[in-house]
Formats: sequence, structure tokens, C-alpha cells
Amino acid sequence: DGGITQSPKYLFRKEGQNVTLSCEQNLNHDAMYWYRQDPGQGLRLIYYSQIVNDFQKGDIAEGYSVSREKKESFPLTVTSAQKNPTAFYLCASSQGTRYGYTFGSGTRLTVV
Amino acid sequence: GESVGLHLPTLSVQEGDNSIINCAYSNSASDYFIWYKQESGKGPQFIIDIRSNMDKRQGQRVTVLLNKTVKHLSLQIAATQPGDSAVYFCAEPQGTALIFGKGTTLSVSS
Repeated sequence: DGGITQSPKYLFRKEGQNVTLSCEQNLNHDAMYWYRQDPGQGLRLIYYSQIVNDFQKGDIAEGYSVSREKKESFPLTVTSAQKNPTAFYLCASSQGTRYGYTFGSGTRLTVV
Repeated sequence: GESVGLHLPTLSVQEGDNSIINCAYSNSASDYFIWYKQESGKGPQFIIDIRSNMDKRQGQRVTVLLNKTVKHLSLQIAATQPGDSAVYFCAEPQGTALIFGKGTTLSVSS
């Protein structure tokens, strides 16, 4: 079955460390997105990519980095510059914004 | 700035009742809206969408209504079931990405 896979489901990070969240899709979608969700809040856009080797900053890109070397993969690195990284991170893909998104099951990141 | 929002953060209903979840938007040029359902600890799932050339669209037990005059859309769930308990978001395109409202938590009691 086609879908979008995020790993790991839970991730713990020590302060000062960089961590990378994985996102892989086999839906042949061109566009991929990363959102952050805090308790009781909506989804806020971190980065998005409409095509391989190209990506744009979203509303809250500071402290995060991404790459898009393959159509199927869009990993997100949470750097030590992100001062409040504890959150639920969601990856999504789509054929375009007029078609809605398919979301992964999320990664819950906790700083310890 | 222009954004999508929801009127109420929580909604509690009895099993079998009809539920109505509301969303207001501010961009009068918006031409496409989507409703998502998010269960606890999971990613959002697509429920139904509607384009601005429509006033109403029906799915299985769900109906979305769009009132462009007052820039309001609603999601109606018929015969609400305990499995409908979740957070519901409306979303609209802004540029090349979707923006989401803060969500309404629907609680269904038996």
C-alpha cells in the first residue's frame, strides 16, 4: 500500500544535540512538508519542498534544516539552535495544495 | 494576518447526536478548503474537501457547508459515534502550502 512513513515514533534528545527525523513516501508525490504541533495547538509549517533539490522556509524555520535529495525522502534536522524543540512533528506529502495532504503518523520529540 | 480559525476549541455531544464544527476564514479569495480529523497520537486524516464553486458537499455521514458571504464553513457529522472523538481541523491553501486552524476537540459520550 502507498503511504508516508515517519520514524522514529518517539525520540529523546539531550540539550545541545542535533537530531534528524525521517520521512519517506511511496505515493510519487512531488511536494513534501514538515509541520510542528504543540499541545492544544494547530499545525505550524516548518519547511516545504515542491520538487527535488528545492525547499522553502515556512513560518517557523529557525533552528531547523531539511534536505530533498530524493523524491521519496524529506528528512528534518532539529538543531541545537532550536530552543524549544519538544513537540509532535508531522510530515506530509501531496500532489499540490489543491489535492490535500497525506500525513505520516508523526514523531514525538522530547528534550531531556 | 489572514488565517483559518475555528469558533470553539471543544465540543461535547451524546452518541447518536449530530455534531456541527465551525470554521471562519478571513481571505475572501480562498477557493479550496479541507477538513481533517486527528486522533490522539496520530497524524491528521483527510475527511472531505470543498471548492469555492460549491456551497455543500456530502460524504459518508459528513457534510461540509461553505458560506462565502460570511466566510464561514462547517463540518456536520450525522449520528455521531464514539469513534468520531478526535480533533478536527479546517485548512486552506496559502501560497503553496496549507495553513491550519487550531482545531476543535470533539468528545462523544455513550
